[in-house]
Amino acid sequence: ETGVTQTPRHLVMGMTNKKSLKCEQHLGHNAMYWYKQSAKKPLELMFVYSLEERVENNSVPSRFSPECPNSSHLFLHLHTLQPEDSALYLCASSQDRPGQGLDTQYFGPGTRLTVL
Amino acid sequence: AQKVTQAQTEISVVEKEDVTLDCVYETRDTTYYLFWYKQPPSGELVFLIRRNSFDEQNEISGRYSWNFQKSTSSFNFTITASQVVDSAVYFCALSEAKRHSGYSTLTFGKGTMLLVSP
Repeated sequence: ETGVTQTPRHLVMGMTNKKSLKCEQHLGHNAMYWYKQSAKKPLELMFVYSLEERVENNSVPSRFSPECPNSSHLFLHLHTLQPEDSALYLCASSQDRPGQGLDTQYFGPGTRLTVL
Repeated sequence: AQKVTQAQTEISVVEKEDVTLDCVYETRDTTYYLFWYKQPPSGELVFLIRRNSFDEQNEISGRYSWNFQKSTSSFNFTITASQVVDSAVYFCALSEAKRHSGYSTLTFGKGTMLLVSP
């Protein structure tokens, strides 16, 4: 089974819509991440959850709201988005251990979001 | 602050040519990890390799090889005898340790688009 899955793969929404992106990892990891990839820009880390607790929020606008109900699932709730929010949203997971070495992040296929 | 520079925006080669993708990094950490990921047109970032800062041995995996040199803060990636299926965007990344927490954050370069034509 694919390690990290994301749904939907493509999403078109209007600026007044509310939608959610879903990510599921089947690797038994304890940390999950949301990244944004815009055209011609480096990947931007949005949120990090470690052991189901949000540990980092990189100045992301409040119109993006993450949720991590358990270590296998991660959501990104979207509302009143702007056209500049159109991007590829990537989810990743890793198995991290406090004070120990860094583990590899494994990525899902992404959700291609278009905001009209 | 950490920084990863991939100076080559796009590289075009003909099948069977060798190609090297450059990566230069900046960090103040003494312990860090370097990564290469491949992003085909489908969008998913595929993990290729992880190298820690204490291991400067070069690595070869099939047609792929990596040259890590701390003296020049570089972690270059070479594809030998390139194939059309190698066409993708390749990202170099640097991992920062969050010593008081159990997670790591990645700093990515802007990526190098490799186009391999038949």
